[in-house]
Amino acid sequence: KAGVTQTPRYLIKTRGQQVTLSCSPISGHRSVSWYQQTPGQGLQFLFEYFSETQRNKGNFPGRFSGRQFSNSRSEMNVSTLELGDSALYLCASSLGSLVNEQFFGPGTRLTVL
Amino acid sequence: DAKTTQPTSMDCAEGRAANLPCNHSTISGNEYVYWYRQIHSQGPQYIIHGLKNNETNEMASLIITEDRKSSTLILPHATLRDTAVYYCIVRALYGGATNKLIFGTGTLLAVQP
Repeated sequence: KAGVTQTPRYLIKTRGQQVTLSCSPISGHRSVSWYQQTPGQGLQFLFEYFSETQRNKGNFPGRFSGRQFSNSRSEMNVSTLELGDSALYLCASSLGSLVNEQFFGPGTRLTVL
Repeated sequence: DAKTTQPTSMDCAEGRAANLPCNHSTISGNEYVYWYRQIHSQGPQYIIHGLKNNETNEMASLIITEDRKSSTLILPHATLRDTAVYYCIVRALYGGATNKLIFGTGTLLAVQP
């Protein structure tokens, strides 16, 4: 069974640009969550989608947005990039909400210059 | 969600048991204790979870104190591959709960040869 895949794995952008990251969950999983990991702030929750609906949102500015498609694949978008957006962006998938184990992908390393 | 406190780092000799403590003194009755680990440059990996009874699986054992204010993750025979940051997370698991995980700073476990 294939794991969670994230594309691209590495990305370099400049300030002011926008970026779209993609996450393909494990087949059959309907919940996708996104996290940002930085050396200073650690792992922080961005948002969660379940059956194409955003169920929960972390404390991030409106420049961070996401969506989920009918096949459960999810994308997150960051507009007007800032240097501080440089981070490892991780997505996690699970069957639903009341489940014990979430499966994380390898992440996308975003560098903003 | 309850806050957790973990030591910043620990060392363990290869082949010996690694005991990782976690304090969660404000845990509420419907909150479970979860453990995840993150090996360098990878996404976090689920290890184990429990409510109030001790739990064991193929990876580890989880010992939760009777008052549920602290717990210990035990890796019975640590190997070099167990070197990682270990996160103790408290999460509610009831109707309406989401998959949001609140990661603290975790414990960096260094297994020494």
